[in-house]
Amino acid sequence: NAGVMQNPRHLVRRRGQEARLRCSPMKGHSHVYWYRQLPEEGLKFMVYLQKENIIDESGMPKERFSAEFPKEGPSILRIQQVVRGDSAAYFCASSPSIAGGLADEQFFGPGTRLTVL
Amino acid sequence: QKEVEQNSGPLSVPEGAIASLNCTYSDRGSQSFFWYRQYSGKSPELIMFIYSNGDKEDGRFTAQLNKASQYVSLLIRDSQPSDSATYLCAVNGDNFNKFYFGSGTKLNVKP
Repeated sequence: NAGVMQNPRHLVRRRGQEARLRCSPMKGHSHVYWYRQLPEEGLKFMVYLQKENIIDESGMPKERFSAEFPKEGPSILRIQQVVRGDSAAYFCASSPSIAGGLADEQFFGPGTRLTVL
Repeated sequence: QKEVEQNSGPLSVPEGAIASLNCTYSDRGSQSFFWYRQYSGKSPELIMFIYSNGDKEDGRFTAQLNKASQYVSLLIRDSQPSDSATYLCAVNGDNFNKFYFGSGTKLNVKP
């Protein structure tokens, strides 16, 4: 049973370019989450999606960042016109359907390390 | 502003000892609590979750929750050098599948 998959594992972009990060959830999971982690820091929530719906994007920067989880295919986190401050590890997690008012365990993918030159 | 606080450490314990990791949270409405382990350069790995006050045991790990004190802890018995990692506490927020993470406690288990 494959876990959460992310690609690419490492991504290098120059300032001003676009970064596209992909995430395929675990089989049977319909909820996807994106987190950002700066060196020596904890994970910061960015966005929570279900198929074709953004449930909570309160952690997303207002500009340049967007996320989608289409009916078919992986979830995409898109960063336009990247800046050096976007350099971080971006983790995707997935969970099964919500369990009666309690949060489900989230399982993490290996992450994408984005470096902006 | 939801906050999850952890002592950054490092916490050093000798092999075979009990390691005690602590976490406090600010949102009284939180209902779900998770502990993750993260090795350097790797992704977080779920260790345990706890929903109810009291203790929950799984092998060498015990999670303890006290909602009145807004406190959750993780005990690791018979610590091994392979337990050396950063331990992240996660608490759910208003959107109950939205997690707030502490900055983690680095644990060093010395042989």
